[in-house]
Amino acid sequence: DQQVKQNSPSLSVQEGRISILNCDYTNSMFDYFLWYKKYPAEGPTFLISISSIKDKNEDGRFTVFLNKSAKHLSLHIVPSQPGDSAVYFCAASEGLDSNYQLIWGAGTKLIIKP
Amino acid sequence: DAGITQSPRYKITETGRQVTLMCHQTWSHSYMFWYRQDLGHGLRLIYYSAAADITDKGEVPDGYVVSRSKTENFPLTLESATRSQTSVYFCASSELGLTNTGELFFGEGSRLTVL
Repeated sequence: DQQVKQNSPSLSVQEGRISILNCDYTNSMFDYFLWYKKYPAEGPTFLISISSIKDKNEDGRFTVFLNKSAKHLSLHIVPSQPGDSAVYFCAASEGLDSNYQLIWGAGTKLIIKP
Repeated sequence: DAGITQSPRYKITETGRQVTLMCHQTWSHSYMFWYRQDLGHGLRLIYYSAAADITDKGEVPDGYVVSRSKTENFPLTLESATRSQTSVYFCASSELGLTNTGELFFGEGSRLTVL
């Protein structure tokens, strides 16, 4: 039973447009959420995070939105660039001192078309 | 260079063999983690360590053994490899567990194939 779900295995977006990656979770105890980005043959790298006390966190072109009532978060990339083509993982935890058990989604492969 | 390195990057072995994947970090981070990545599952935590000589099980520890005699090294051993352990293994480290941002620093991964 997957507690963190990324229902779109892949997403194709035109360069310059907005990319929206979605993530749903089932565990109401999750209160910290993260997005990681992964290029082929590399390890994941941290992108952005959000605490459940917020509903939005922004870092440059990347914004994460959290809808606690819907148990849904999304990552917006504006504008999308070719270097954004990667696999994006959503992850969640029951707090920063939760025995470090991040629960990960299966990932969404983002393809930015020139 | 500072960072986290895994070896070997690629390994093919046979069922029943013992395999050890190495992980070395130069940041002196307290926390280290082993994950496996399988298609459709995302990353799953195998074991983690909060400090030298302190290790604990993650979500999928069966069939794996870890040790942490030195802060910088966190080897993962498959004592008797099975085909179901064919996967990509990622080592990660963090200074304070999830820290204020939740950032883990990952190695490049070790792709293991068990025939």
